[in-house]
Amino acid sequence: EAQVTQNPRYLITVTGKKLTVTCSQNMNHEYMSWYRQDPGLGLRQIYYSMNVEVTDKGDVPEGYKVSRKEKRNFPLILESPSPNQTSLYFCASSLSRNEKLFFGSGTQLSVL
Amino acid sequence: GESVGLHLPTLSVQEGDNSIINCAYSNSASDYFIWYKQESGKGPQFIIDIRSNMDKRQGQRVTVLLNKTVKHLSLQIAATQPGDSAVYFCAGASFGNEKLTFGTGTRLTIIP
Repeated sequence: EAQVTQNPRYLITVTGKKLTVTCSQNMNHEYMSWYRQDPGLGLRQIYYSMNVEVTDKGDVPEGYKVSRKEKRNFPLILESPSPNQTSLYFCASSLSRNEKLFFGSGTQLSVL
Repeated sequence: GESVGLHLPTLSVQEGDNSIINCAYSNSASDYFIWYKQESGKGPQFIIDIRSNMDKRQGQRVTVLLNKTVKHLSLQIAATQPGDSAVYFCAGASFGNEKLTFGTGTRLTIIP
């Protein structure tokens, strides 16, 4: 089944403790992206990747890192999480830019 | 830059009636639009898309209408069912822009 898989589904952590949210897609998509979703603000792009080893900042990149060493994986790294990063995070992929995005099920992150 | 929004944050519709969800955009260069459905606890799910060379596109029980003159987009759902209850949001992109911009969403509630 074609899908985007995120892990973990839920995560509670404390301020400053590094964490990684994994994302994997099995559709051979070139484009991958991370979003955060907050009430009243909709989906905001954090980082995106056009292809392996090609990443760029989205609208809200501060406090986040990404890497794209393999085509299928696009992990999101929070080196020193803070409470304002408490949010619902989605990974998404598409065949290429400006094509329809396929989303993962989301990761609900709480930073205490 | 691109701005995409929705007219109403909530919409209640009687089961069996048709639903119309609206979306406005600001960038006249926008040439690709998508409607997504997000059920509680899930990631956004693709419903239908349309390119700017079209005014209308139909899917199964859904129709998207694009009015480029007033920069307005609508999603029509025929014979609304309880399973249609979700948040619906539109996304838009313009040629050469590698990311979709998302609206904040309309929560559709179906009244039995």
